[in-house]
Amino acid sequence: EADIYQTPRYLVIGTGKKITLECSQTMGHDKMYWYQQDPGMELHLIHYSYGVNSTEKGDLSSESTVSRIRTEHFPLTLESARPSHTSQYLCASSIGPPKGGYTFGSGTRLTVV
Amino acid sequence: AQKITQTQPGMFVQEKEAVTLDCTYDTSDPSYGLFWYKQPSSGEMIFLIYQGSYDQQNATEGRYSLNFQKARKSANLVISASQLGDSAMYFCAMRGIRSSNTGKLIFGQGTTLQVKP
Repeated sequence: EADIYQTPRYLVIGTGKKITLECSQTMGHDKMYWYQQDPGMELHLIHYSYGVNSTEKGDLSSESTVSRIRTEHFPLTLESARPSHTSQYLCASSIGPPKGGYTFGSGTRLTVV
Repeated sequence: AQKITQTQPGMFVQEKEAVTLDCTYDTSDPSYGLFWYKQPSSGEMIFLIYQGSYDQQNATEGRYSLNFQKARKSANLVISASQLGDSAMYFCAMRGIRSSNTGKLIFGQGTTLQVKP
C-alpha cells in the first residue's frame, strides 16, 4: 500500500491551461521532492522542500511552482501549460540522511497538446 | 559536485542467469549513501538496495547485491537468477550525508534491462 500518493496518474490538457499536480504523503516526512523525467531518461530534480513553508528550486530549471503549507502536501502548479511541459512528474519524500532513501509516488504522466 | 555515471544504456540477460549493472560515482563528501531503484514500464520507482560508504560489508537484499568498491568509486548492482519481471529500467543514485540538509538524491542516466525467456 502506497504511503505517498500522486494524482492524477495521467493528464492530457490543452496549451495555456493552468494545472496542479497533487502529491500527499502519510509518513510525516519533512523532506519532499519533485522530479521531472522524460521517457527512458534520467530524473531531474526541479523542486524540493525541507518542511512547511520551505521550498527551493532544484537543479533543473522549471516554470512550475510549488507550495508546502502542510507537512503532508506538496502540490506542483503550472500556470500556463505548454507542449514542452509534456513529461512524467515524480514526487518523493524522505526522512533524510543517512539511510533515508526516497519513497516515490506513482508519478503523473502529463501530456500538453 | 556529485555525479553518477551508468555507462550501459541497455542490457540483455537470459532468464535465470545473473547480470551486473554498472555504476560509478564521484563525490567530495566523506560520507554518502548509494541506492539502486527499479522503474518498470508503469513508471513508478521501486527502491531495491542501499549501501553506506562506511558499511564494512556489501549490501544484499534477496536476489539483489551491491558490489561496492570504494577505491574505484563503483557500486555495481548484481541481480542473480534473473526473472522476466526484472525487465525494467534501473537507476543508480547517490546522496551525500554531510552536504546540505536537503539530502538530495542524484540519479544516473539509467540502464534498461531486458530479460529473455
